[in-house]
Amino acid sequence: DQQVKQNSPSLSVQEGRISILNCDYTNSMFDYFLWYKKYPAEGPTFLISISSIKDKNEDGRFTVFLNKSAKHLSLHIVPSQPGDSAVYFCAATLSGGYQKVTFGTGTKLQVIP
Amino acid sequence: EPEVTQTPSHQVTQMGQEVILRCVPISNHLYFYWYRQILGQKVEFLVSFYNNEISEKSEIFDDQFSVERPDGSNFTLKIRSTKLEDSAMYFCANTGAGNTIYFGEGSWLTVV
Repeated sequence: DQQVKQNSPSLSVQEGRISILNCDYTNSMFDYFLWYKKYPAEGPTFLISISSIKDKNEDGRFTVFLNKSAKHLSLHIVPSQPGDSAVYFCAATLSGGYQKVTFGTGTKLQVIP
Repeated sequence: EPEVTQTPSHQVTQMGQEVILRCVPISNHLYFYWYRQILGQKVEFLVSFYNNEISEKSEIFDDQFSVERPDGSNFTLKIRSTKLEDSAMYFCANTGAGNTIYFGEGSWLTVV
């Protein structure tokens, strides 16, 4: 049962342009969402998160949007840089701490110089 | 970002052998997790551990797997009799009272 889905396995974007990575979830109990970035042979690195009480959270070049009614979130990277090339995982959990995190399958982003 | 340290970074083992993967968590972050990622697949939850007990485990975490805090600080994942399909990157993760989970660099296990 794939509770968190990233339907695009890969994405290519020109440097300087916007990268938009999408994620859908099925479990309506999830109320806290995270994005992680992962390089090959390294652990996932936390990027940004959003609580279900918000619909947008911004941190520098990264913005996460949440549409609860559609059970959809997206990560926007503006402007995209070659160093952003990595696999991005969407993840969902229950707020309140001490909860497991459920990951999507990941989207491989390639930023072309 | 807070740091979770894992050892070994890479281990090759014969099928049927026991493997112990180790993790040094973030200080005062008392909730531990193990995840794994088989090459080319998604990151999968294995087990969560709090207050010296397993809080939750997945179907993957069968009797071949165990976790413990042998010395009150380090956190280990043991695979008693490894199978070829156990080959994966194993990530230790750690959280405190917040919702963000921080991951170690991973231990790459190759079973031959």
